[in-house]
Amino acid sequence: AQSVTQLGSHVSVSEGALVLLRCNYSSSVPPYLFWYVQYPNQGLQLLLKYTSAATLVKGINGFEAEFKKSETSFHLTKPSAHMSDAAEYFCAVSDLGGTSYGKLTFGQGTILTVHP
Amino acid sequence: DAGVTQSPTHLIKTRGQQVTLRCSPKSGHDTVSWYQQALGQGPQFIFQYYEEEERQRGNFPDRFSGHQFPNYSSELNVNALLLGDSALYLCASSSIQGMMNTEAFFGQGTRLTVV
Repeated sequence: AQSVTQLGSHVSVSEGALVLLRCNYSSSVPPYLFWYVQYPNQGLQLLLKYTSAATLVKGINGFEAEFKKSETSFHLTKPSAHMSDAAEYFCAVSDLGGTSYGKLTFGQGTILTVHP
Repeated sequence: DAGVTQSPTHLIKTRGQQVTLRCSPKSGHDTVSWYQQALGQGPQFIFQYYEEEERQRGNFPDRFSGHQFPNYSSELNVNALLLGDSALYLCASSSIQGMMNTEAFFGQGTRLTVV
């Protein structure tokens, strides 16, 4: 079984400040990890993914995440927040194969607010 | 590339009615998954279709059913609607490459309101 815990349902930062959104996972098999962003009344857009290659993954819009197996974490960061980053962010885990056939298990989401 | 398209975008139904939601996958994708996202929650996996068969199912009652057509498009049907079925329904498509599934691409969703 796989699960995801996102620490902090709401994160608020000032424009230009560091963004850090936390994600911890549980998986009985080697995980594939994803961060998705959702704007109001929209679907999910993939920000970045970890698929067992480099542990530091760079995504779109300046976001990156680091896979730390020892800490079972996959935290999302961005050095300098922009007003357009305000959205809800979801961490998800899958094994992309095996018996789950790529089923995604999502965390509860973190709403990011960016203040001027 | 049109990406994943879902219809309708919004829908209002009365308790006890039945509803059908539709999804066209991204070009080149052959697998369709459906997710339910209740307000303030993360998406929850309903089921997945591949080669016109339900391959895997999440923890949803039999009132939720689906279908996949030869062109890989898919429908989600919900019978005997309950107020608790109000949610954003997301369709995601992917494809099989070797033994692995590619990453999932999501549509914009269908907002279902049950009154």
